[in-house]
Amino acid sequence: EAGVVQSPRYKIIEKKQPVAFWCNPISGHNTLYWYLQNLGQGPELLIRYENEEAVDDSQLPKDRFSAERLKGVDSTLKIQPAELGDSAVYLCASSLGQGSGELFFGEGSRLTVL
Amino acid sequence: GQQLNQSPQSMFIQEGEDVSMNCTSSSIFNTWLWYKQDPGEGPVLLIALYKAGELTSNGRLTAQFGITRKDSFLNISASIPSDVGIYFCAANNAGNMLTFGGGTRLMVKP
Repeated sequence: EAGVVQSPRYKIIEKKQPVAFWCNPISGHNTLYWYLQNLGQGPELLIRYENEEAVDDSQLPKDRFSAERLKGVDSTLKIQPAELGDSAVYLCASSLGQGSGELFFGEGSRLTVL
Repeated sequence: GQQLNQSPQSMFIQEGEDVSMNCTSSSIFNTWLWYKQDPGEGPVLLIALYKAGELTSNGRLTAQFGITRKDSFLNISASIPSDVGIYFCAANNAGNMLTFGGGTRLMVKP
């Protein structure tokens, strides 16, 4: 069974440029999460989807970050424009349901903003 | 927001030693989980605990859900080099918001 797939694995951009990350969850997983992980810290939730509906986006900086999961399967996270402080690993995870906390994570997309 | 205080931040132990780490909070949670993250990878679930007082094992790993529902610990017995990594506690509240601790970095000397 394929795991959570993320791309790109690495991205280096200059500040003020846009960037997008893609995630394909495990087949059949209705809940999809985007987490931000700064160096030396635990993951922090950015947004959670139940199918195509964003049910928790309170931590998403909406002035520059956006996300979508149009058909309730794969998802895209976008940053426009990127700032130096956005350098981090962006983790996507999926789960069968929203209550268990049993998440399956992708390998992450490491962003470096110069 | 809710915070999970994880300790120690790092441990450097000899192969074969037992390891203990814990996670505390001022908030009550419904579920406690422990994840491990290797370099360049996403976290992987090790153990999930769903009931206060529950003690669960997974091979050499043992974890407990604190009776107050505000803490959890993870023990690793007879550590081996592949136990190296960062261990994160995580907890789920009634609103289904999963919060992660800051991690414990484990280093094992062969």
